[in-house]
Amino acid sequence: AQSVTQPDIHITVSEGASLELRCNYSYGATPYLFWYVQSPGQGLQLLLKYFSGDTLVQGIKGFEAEFKRSQSSFNLRKPSVHWSDAAEYFCAVAGNEKLTFGTGTRLTIIP
Amino acid sequence: DAGVIQSPRHEVTEMGQEVTLRCKPISGHNSLFWYRQTMMRGLELLIYFNNNVPIDDSGMPEDRFSAKMPNASFSTLKIQPSEPRDSAVYFCASSLEGLAGYEQYFGPGTRLTVT
Repeated sequence: AQSVTQPDIHITVSEGASLELRCNYSYGATPYLFWYVQSPGQGLQLLLKYFSGDTLVQGIKGFEAEFKRSQSSFNLRKPSVHWSDAAEYFCAVAGNEKLTFGTGTRLTIIP
Repeated sequence: DAGVIQSPRHEVTEMGQEVTLRCKPISGHNSLFWYRQTMMRGLELLIYFNNNVPIDDSGMPEDRFSAKMPNASFSTLKIQPSEPRDSAVYFCASSLEGLAGYEQYFGPGTRLTVT
C-alpha cells in the first residue's frame, strides 16, 4: 500500500528566508506525487504535481518540488517565503484511483 | 466556475441527531470524494464515487455513516445517529477521470461539532 511521511510537524521560518519541506513516499510503481496547501479555515489547494518527465516541477505561488527516486523523496521548496505562505502543507501520493496524504507540516512565518 | 460547494459550513448538533452534509462538485467532474480531517487522524478518505457510483467506501467508519450521489451535481454524507467523536471537518473534493482524476479540487469544508 502507498504511504507518505512528512517528518516535520511544524516549521518556523523568517519572512524572506528560504524554505524546504520534506516528503518521503512509499509506492511500488512510478509514483504520481502532489503538494497541497491548506490555509486556515479553507480546503486544500493544489500547489504542484509530478507525473513524469523533468524531476523539478514548478507550481503556483513560487513553489517548486524535486522528485528524487533514489531517496523516495519529493521535497517542496521556495527561495523566499512571504507572510501569506503561513499554512499547512500536505504531500500526497496517488495510486488505485486514490490520493494518500501525509500528516501535514504546519508552516509559521515570523517577521 | 464556483468551485466545489459545501453546505452547511458549520454544523452544531446534539449527540443522537441526524446530520446531513451536502456537496456540489465542479461541473464536468466525474469523480467525487468525501474526506474527514481531525487533529488525531489527519485527512482520511471516507468514500469516493465515479460517475455517481460508489467505488470504495472502505474508509467509512461505521454503519452510522452513509453517502449518496443521486446525480452528477449533488452528493450527501449522512451520519445517523451522530456521536461526539464524529466532530471533525468534512471535505468534499471532485476531479476529472483518468490521470487527471488525481488532481482533486477541494471544497471549503463543513465543520461539524457534536455535543
